[in-house]
Amino acid sequence: DAGVTQSPTHLIKTRGQHVTLRCSPISGHKSVSWYQQVLGQGPQFIFQYYEKEERGRGNFPDRFSARQFPNYSSELNVNALLLGDSALYLCASSSEGGTEAFFGQGTRLTVV
Amino acid sequence: SQELEQSPQSLIVQEGKNLTINCTSSKTLYGLYWYKQKYGEGLIFLMMLQKGGEEKSHEKITAKLDEKKQQSSLHITASQPSHAGIYLCGADRGGSNYKLTFGKGTLLTVNP
Repeated sequence: DAGVTQSPTHLIKTRGQHVTLRCSPISGHKSVSWYQQVLGQGPQFIFQYYEKEERGRGNFPDRFSARQFPNYSSELNVNALLLGDSALYLCASSSEGGTEAFFGQGTRLTVV
Repeated sequence: SQELEQSPQSLIVQEGKNLTINCTSSKTLYGLYWYKQKYGEGLIFLMMLQKGGEEKSHEKITAKLDEKKQQSSLHITASQPSHAGIYLCGADRGGSNYKLTFGKGTLLTVNP
């Protein structure tokens, strides 16, 4: 079975632009969470979606938004990019009642 | 201060040596997750501990949870170069694996 897949793997954007990152969870997993990992830090929680509904939001500005589709895949959108948004963006999927959270390989976003 | 403190921040060992990484929480733990990360890549799930006193092993890696101290330790026996990477502990604060709080990580280098 395929694990959590994220696309693209790398991305370079200019300040002020918009970016969309994509995540496909493990088959059967209905929950998707997004994390931001800045160099030298642990991942920070951004959003969690379950059954297409937002269930949790971390301490991130409104420039960050996300959605989940009927097939449980998810998109993370970031508007008006800042240099400080440069980071590895990680997606994790979990099964209902499961105790494990599995992560994808991440999308490396560089804002110049 | 960090909710999850990992120590040491970095560790260099000779191949074959044993080592221990600690993770201490300033808040109540419902579950404690250990992940391994290669630089710039996704997180690989190692183990999840839920109950005080619980101990789990996978190959040469053992993790324990001390609920009273709100602390977990990860022990690697007879380290190998393949063990090198960043070890991250993540805490489940609310009985859900959807939103994890992570420490900054411990960078492990294993010299052949």
